[in-house]
Amino acid sequence: DAKTTQPPSMDCAEGRAANLPCNHSTISGNEYVYWYRQIHSQGPQYIIHGLKNNETNEMASLIITEDRKSSTLILPHATLRDTAVYYCIVSLNAGNMLTFGGGTRLMVKP
Amino acid sequence: GAVVSQHPSWVICKSGTSVKIECRSLDFQATTMFWYRQFPKQSLMLMATSNEGSKATYEQGVEKDKFLINHASLTLSTLTVTSAHPEDSSFYICSARDLPALGYQETQYFGPGTRLLVL
Repeated sequence: DAKTTQPPSMDCAEGRAANLPCNHSTISGNEYVYWYRQIHSQGPQYIIHGLKNNETNEMASLIITEDRKSSTLILPHATLRDTAVYYCIVSLNAGNMLTFGGGTRLMVKP
Repeated sequence: GAVVSQHPSWVICKSGTSVKIECRSLDFQATTMFWYRQFPKQSLMLMATSNEGSKATYEQGVEKDKFLINHASLTLSTLTVTSAHPEDSSFYICSARDLPALGYQETQYFGPGTRLLVL
């Protein structure tokens, strides 16, 4: 699976959009980009995934660049409960074993 | 959505004892479950892949005789930490892979984790 690079931490004001970047320059053509988050002392929670097109669900939006070498997870209106570590993972299939990098620790502040 | 449970949610034990952690897929069948370990302020590290009805596959550096994994049914996998020591204190998380409908991708669902403290 391709390796990903994320900033170690970010702050966001409550109610504002949180934009979390991820670089995956070695991604192969059939690998997906998955985003999970882990709230303190809990198991990871699936957020969203995509291959080439931008994706949106009730939790977030995923923007993937045309060359697929990077992506951005967008939480449109961050709340305090969105404070968590966000992991960007590249994999052929979410059913495979997932390699978790360091992730980005998002702190949403009032 | 699919739910994975773990039991117990936390456990404290004395050094030298064995601890069993259960991972259950509550509303779906999982032929494959994964066991991860997470130390404080670190990321999740895969320990082993558990396949129903067969032996688990362990990652490099994980002692298979110390971390016994049993996946006896499509909804239950267990991890037994044998002769636990303080350095085994960690957050143990399981995940289960579902069997998707035709045309859909597999998805991995994570349990809430089990915090183990060995005194």
